Amino acid sequence: QQQVKQSPQSLIVQKGGISIINCAYENTAFDYFPWYQQFPGKGPALLIAIRPDVSEKKEGRFTISFNKSAKQFSLHIMDSQPGDSATYFCAAHRAGGTSYGKLTFGQGTILTVHP
Amino acid sequence: DADVTQTPRNRITKTGKRIMLECSQTKGHDRMYWYRQDPGLGLRLIYYSFDVKDINKGEISDGYSVSRQAQAKFSLSLESAIPNQTALYFCATSDRTGGNQPQHFGDGTRLSIL
Repeated sequence: QQQVKQSPQSLIVQKGGISIINCAYENTAFDYFPWYQQFPGKGPALLIAIRPDVSEKKEGRFTISFNKSAKQFSLHIMDSQPGDSATYFCAAHRAGGTSYGKLTFGQGTILTVHP
Repeated sequence: DADVTQTPRNRITKTGKRIMLECSQTKGHDRMYWYRQDPGLGLRLIYYSFDVKDINKGEISDGYSVSRQAQAKFSLSLESAIPNQTALYFCATSDRTGGNQPQHFGDGTRLSIL
């Protein structure tokens, strides 16, 4: 079964610190790796995404680091702010066949940024 | 107005009852999905539909059924609800062009089965 394993389950960071969330996968057929951010009472929303042909993608304070050989990718939030407090999900999309267009999500990380 | 609307937002019901959760979208997307969210388990796919005549089971479809009434509407039914179906349910949509299009989620239905 396709799986994406996410850690930690919860994370507490001080304002201004760096938040790091890690994900690992097994299926080398995955071809797209998005991160979703979810605020309480809301649905997840796309935050940032990367394809496996690049090792890093940065958008503002958010960076994805991708290690294809280790089959791992991580989200780094620089200068973390209380407004970043949310649940974060990594996900992976498998190219081709009956999985086309479907995402496999990680277990989620609850991030709390203290002022 | 929200692009992806789920109704109801909250529902409490009893074991054995039939329940329908509804999703409608104004994004014009062909693809629609139903997920459930449980603490520590993330989002798990229940059913998905790539167009009105194409409906497929996801990883946890047992105990659920769906209906795609139109491009814009996708309903999830629990024929005989059981307590372990208590969860947060999300509908999502995505464009058909390519497999890596972002999914757009509604704000969820919190379902409690007593």
